Amino acid sequence: QVQLVESGGGLVKPGGSLRLSCAASGFTFSDYYMSWIRQAPGKGLEWVSYISSSGSTIYYADSVKGRFTISRDNAKNSLYLQMNSLRAEDTAVYYCARSPHGMDVWGQGTTVTVSS
Amino acid sequence: EIVMTQSPATLSVSPGERATLSCRASQSVSSNLAWYQQKPGQAPRLLIYGASTRATGIPARFSGSGSGTEFTLTISSLQSEDFAVYYCQQYNNWLSGFGPGTKVDIK
Repeated sequence: QVQLVESGGGLVKPGGSLRLSCAASGFTFSDYYMSWIRQAPGKGLEWVSYISSSGSTIYYADSVKGRFTISRDNAKNSLYLQMNSLRAEDTAVYYCARSPHGMDVWGQGTTVTVSS
Repeated sequence: EIVMTQSPATLSVSPGERATLSCRASQSVSSNLAWYQQKPGQAPRLLIYGASTRATGIPARFSGSGSGTEFTLTISSLQSEDFAVYYCQQYNNWLSGFGPGTKVDIK
């Protein structure tokens, strides 16, 4: 079945780095735009980044621009989010989502906690 | 930047009643508007895309309408499983995204 599975979350100190991964299965990954979305504890959804099917078009929210890098490996059916210079306010559950029109398939999320 | 707002913040409804949720964009997003349902501890679920098209498997009691800057999600007869938080999201411009959400709770 169509599935997205995130991994790579954890506890990191302010200023540190993490790389999140999202493994896709059950569909032709290379056909779809993909997104990362996050949700801070008790808060709403925040769109983080978006990448086109080929990887040629990328957008970032202002809150992460210059610190986060989205990428994909279509041969490995995988989406990535490299997160550098992490701050306390980056603490959240991070979701990857398939994005053909809105976001129609979501992973279960991976938790990132930035704390000293 | 397109700013999304939703009203009300909380909607208290009895089971079987109709619920009407509103979403407004600060500038036109055409019909590039989606609605999501999120329950505690779960990932969001796509309900509506293109402002009015139900996603696969979504019951007919969910309907969306609107275009431009004003949008509505209607749940015709609330079931127990519909009590959740609902978010709208514009995807006309990928540089911004979600509204703050409307919590639908039991009256």
